[in-house]
Amino acid sequence: AQSVTQLGSHVSVSEGALVLLRCNYSSSVPPYLFWYVQYPNQGLQLLLKYTSAATLVKGINGFEAEFKKSETSFHLTKPSAHMSDAAEYFCAVSDSSNYQLIWGAGTKLIIKP
Amino acid sequence: GAGVSQSPSNKVTEKGKDVELRCDPISGHTALYWYRQRLGQGLEFLIYFQGNSAPDKSGLPSDRFSAERTGESVSTLTIQRTQQEDSAVYLCASSLRQANSPLHFGNGTRLTVT
Repeated sequence: AQSVTQLGSHVSVSEGALVLLRCNYSSSVPPYLFWYVQYPNQGLQLLLKYTSAATLVKGINGFEAEFKKSETSFHLTKPSAHMSDAAEYFCAVSDSSNYQLIWGAGTKLIIKP
Repeated sequence: GAGVSQSPSNKVTEKGKDVELRCDPISGHTALYWYRQRLGQGLEFLIYFQGNSAPDKSGLPSDRFSAERTGESVSTLTIQRTQQEDSAVYLCASSLRQANSPLHFGNGTRLTVT
């Protein structure tokens, strides 16, 4: 069965520092992988997705993620954190058998001024 | 274009009452999902509709929960005899039926059971 693990329920970084949010997945077939962001009192919105076209995927708001098959990882990064990045971030993998998404538990990103 | 619309945005109800939550998906999206998100928690899958196929109800927590969808249009999630533990944000999402198609979420309905 496919699964997604996000390491760290909370990550705190200083404004201007590197953001690194970790996501590891298990999948027996090449996966489709997604990162979503949820701002307070809103639904989730897509940040970026991996669909095998390129291992380094660029998303909105300066975020990017690198697919590493050997490490079964899809970590999310941003070179310089901004206060507006404070939100919860969810990693998900698509179940190829029924097209449903398997969700990680989420990581809350806290930005310190 | 129009996104996923959910109504009401907030609902306060007394314990024991029934509630109905509505979701209008993006036109042309054959897949529709309901999720529950308790305060500070992740997403809890409830139910999945795909076209005219039988829905995947495996996530519904009890028989007090039910959902319907008319074709590829509006969906309603009904909770009967609400309990305080039902208090949460209920999120609806829609997508095309492809493994690489992202989900588009509504802003959710915040349900408070008093």
